[in-house]
Amino acid sequence: GESVGLHLPTLSVQEGDNSIINCAYSNSASDYFIWYKQESGKGPQFIIDIRSNMDKRQGQRVTVLLNKTVKHLSLQIAATQPGDSAVYFCAARDSSYKLIFGSGTRLLVRP
Amino acid sequence: NAGVTQTPKFRVLKTGQSMTLLCAQDMNHEYMYWYRQDPGMGLRLIHYSVGEGTTAKGEVPDGYNVSRLKKQNFLLGLESAAPSQTSVYFCASSYLETQYFGPGTRLLVL
Repeated sequence: GESVGLHLPTLSVQEGDNSIINCAYSNSASDYFIWYKQESGKGPQFIIDIRSNMDKRQGQRVTVLLNKTVKHLSLQIAATQPGDSAVYFCAARDSSYKLIFGSGTRLLVRP
Repeated sequence: NAGVTQTPKFRVLKTGQSMTLLCAQDMNHEYMYWYRQDPGMGLRLIHYSVGEGTTAKGEVPDGYNVSRLKKQNFLLGLESAAPSQTSVYFCASSYLETQYFGPGTRLLVL
């Protein structure tokens, strides 16, 4: 079946450094991708999304890159702050227009 | 706007008991979803609805039922709770692709 996976379960970065969280998907027909941030005890919060007709999209301090050739997307967070500590999920829309979620990467920000 | 709200926030059930989780959204979204989240796993879709009066099965529908009698509400029912249904349940709604999530309901089945 279709799947979405993240490369690292945990990522530790120094405050002020840039963070890169990676995600791979299996369905080459996926046309929409989205990143969520989930803080402890809260629901997932929308960060940024991208359609398959784009390679890059930027938001405030975040950038999503999409490489359709290798079915890979990444979330880049610039100047990582303590408030960025959370679990980050990527999701891809499947052939029936539902989102398939990865298992999440926990981002730890060291002071 | 409150966005997506869920009640209750936390519940403990005994095996075999029933309960209903309520999700409400004030964004006039057509689509609504119920997910479960287990430790170390991503969100798994239980049931979803593409509009008032419609429901459909997701990835893990067994043991759950849903109803969408009003556009703003989506109910998830457990007829006979089992320990395997211990989880955190999230509701989401969307107009198009972007889904917005509620704060979750933590359910413990003993």
